[in-house]
Amino acid sequence: DTEVTQTPKHLVMGMTNKKSLKCEQHMGHRAMYWYKQKAKKPPELMFVYSYEKLSINESVPSRFSPECPNSSLLNLHLHALQPEDSALYLCASSQERTARLGQGASGANVLTFGAGSRLTVL
Amino acid sequence: GEDVEQSLFLSVREGDSSVINCTYTDSSSTYLYWYKQEPGAGLQLLTYIFSNMDMKQDQRLTVLLNKKDKHLSLRIADTQTGDSAIYFCAESSSGGSYIPTFGRGTSLIVHP
Repeated sequence: DTEVTQTPKHLVMGMTNKKSLKCEQHMGHRAMYWYKQKAKKPPELMFVYSYEKLSINESVPSRFSPECPNSSLLNLHLHALQPEDSALYLCASSQERTARLGQGASGANVLTFGAGSRLTVL
Repeated sequence: GEDVEQSLFLSVREGDSSVINCTYTDSSSTYLYWYKQEPGAGLQLLTYIFSNMDMKQDQRLTVLLNKKDKHLSLRIADTQTGDSAIYFCAESSSGGSYIPTFGRGTSLIVHP
């Protein structure tokens, strides 16, 4: 299995709703990432989990809450979002040897991306 | 300025070669990557090059790296309509967290 699977593909929610985005990989990758991508823009890093621990939070508002229940799963819990949060949310994963971020890891950090969850906040 | 810069659009005729250019600022960049994104999809790694290499070829793709000028290019030979997509250049550095920094992407349009 060489894929990252994201569900749902599309999500429409109101500003008072609570929803979750899910991501799953079975490649044995120990680093998992959430990115936000607006139209015509590059992906913006939100969170990184390394060995199931949150290692990077790029000053993301608390209405986005990540969770890594185990090494294969990554969730993004959404609550009280704003219309400007509408975007494509991409999950990615990468191999163990590059998961120890900032600790002299070597090798290319090749990210495998999911197809994304298209979120619309009304 | 941005850490990784790319031109936003490129239009070519089917069968021609496409050359997508990228410049980066981090002199400690160790790996440079090219990703492809088709409409409504995630990013797919096309190829990457280690910074001590000048060139890497993989079937129709040729990557050229000029480390002195911090310039990276991706050449697609015999471009097909299926190559129409957004191409992202990215770099990761040994001095940082190894997380790639992406450019804004070049939209490649291939005309029949």
